[in-house]
Amino acid sequence: GNSVTQMEGPVTLSEEAFLTINCTYTATGYPSLFWYVQYPGEGLQLLLKATKADDKGSNKGFEATYRKETTSFHLEKGSVQVSDSAVYFCALSDPRTNAGKSTFGDGTTLTVKP
Amino acid sequence: NAGVTQTPKFRILKIGQSMTLQCTQDMNHNYMYWYRQDPGMGLKLIYYSVGAGITDKGEVPNGYNVSRSTTEDFPLRLELAAPSQTSVYFCASLLESTDTQYFGPGTRLTVL
Repeated sequence: GNSVTQMEGPVTLSEEAFLTINCTYTATGYPSLFWYVQYPGEGLQLLLKATKADDKGSNKGFEATYRKETTSFHLEKGSVQVSDSAVYFCALSDPRTNAGKSTFGDGTTLTVKP
Repeated sequence: NAGVTQTPKFRILKIGQSMTLQCTQDMNHNYMYWYRQDPGMGLKLIYYSVGAGITDKGEVPNGYNVSRSTTEDFPLRLELAAPSQTSVYFCASLLESTDTQYFGPGTRLTVL
């Protein structure tokens, strides 16, 4: 079956530091890959996505590249801000085989200190 | 356009009580989902629906039931609440053209 493995947290960084959160996946077929973000007390919201190999998703300074050869979709940001403090979830979805169901990683909590 | 709305936001139940968590979306999405999120964990799929009148079990369906009489509404029913059902529950719907799920704000349920 499908699975998503995320780097364990929590991650604590100083403002303006470089961020990497690792994500690897196992899937049959050709999944789409996502990063969702969850701010305190809220539901998840889409941060970025990529639908095929070598695609790069980007949003709000965050980037992730779909690497089929390493089955990875690592999240990066060059300079984090306090407002980036949240829980980040990597996920995959293959609607052609899976009724649109997504498989989520366990989440990585990021805290950015001023 | 409200997106996905959930009620209530918080609820405390006693063991053995029943309740229904409400979920409504106004985006005309066919696919809808119920997840639970335990502390420090990812989301586990409870039930999902691919359209009105069609539902199916996810990973962790025991102790729950759903119905989907309209495209907009997808309520989740807990019949005999147990402490193991203490969790945060999220409803989501899928925009098929982008494979993106839209989440409600969640319901925090405590069973004592």
